[in-house]
Amino acid sequence: AQSVAQPEDQVNVAEGNPLTVKCTYSVSGNPYLFWYVQYPNRGLQFLLKYITGDNLVKGSYGFEAEFNKSQTSFHLKKPSALVSDSALYFCAVTNSNTGKLIFGQGTTLQVKP
Amino acid sequence: EADIYQTPRYLVIGTGKKITLECSQTMGHDKMYWYQQDPGMELHLIHYSYGVNSTEKGDLSSESTVSRIRTEHFPLTLESARPSHTSQYLCASTRTGTGVEKLFFGSGTQLSVL
Repeated sequence: AQSVAQPEDQVNVAEGNPLTVKCTYSVSGNPYLFWYVQYPNRGLQFLLKYITGDNLVKGSYGFEAEFNKSQTSFHLKKPSALVSDSALYFCAVTNSNTGKLIFGQGTTLQVKP
Repeated sequence: EADIYQTPRYLVIGTGKKITLECSQTMGHDKMYWYQQDPGMELHLIHYSYGVNSTEKGDLSSESTVSRIRTEHFPLTLESARPSHTSQYLCASTRTGTGVEKLFFGSGTQLSVL
């Protein structure tokens, strides 16, 4: 069965510091991996995805994520956090067979000035 | 266990038909959303609502319309279905202001327009 785990409910970083939001997954076949962000009072917005190719994927707002097949991880990263990055982040996985997205439980990112 | 329901689960329909996808939640959530997703691809927000009589269009342009006459009900309507509308439609809800606003998703409606 497909599953996604985001082990941290909340991540706190200081503005200007690098940030990492963790995600591990379990899926049969080749994974399709996504990160979504939900800002306060907005619906879910797509950030980036990994389908195939380069393990380092660059997305919106300066975010990137690294696909690690051996560790079944897809951690979200940003070299220098902004206060405006504070939001709820969801990792999601599917495979080419089902097409159904499975979401992690979400991680709240708090960036303090 | 999330109490958000979508019906039908699957729908195959001919071009030109009017359809309504149902979404209901029993959690008293004020915010509700409709997302569209093609297989293996990212979700796109097409409509959202922050309460009764409040509806807004999302990030992806859609020919569908929505209504929010009751808190628990957020149906999506296509007046004249076309093959380009073939997709999965996901409904979600959450409650404002209880710390982390985590989304609860329905199981989705897979729509195929022939």
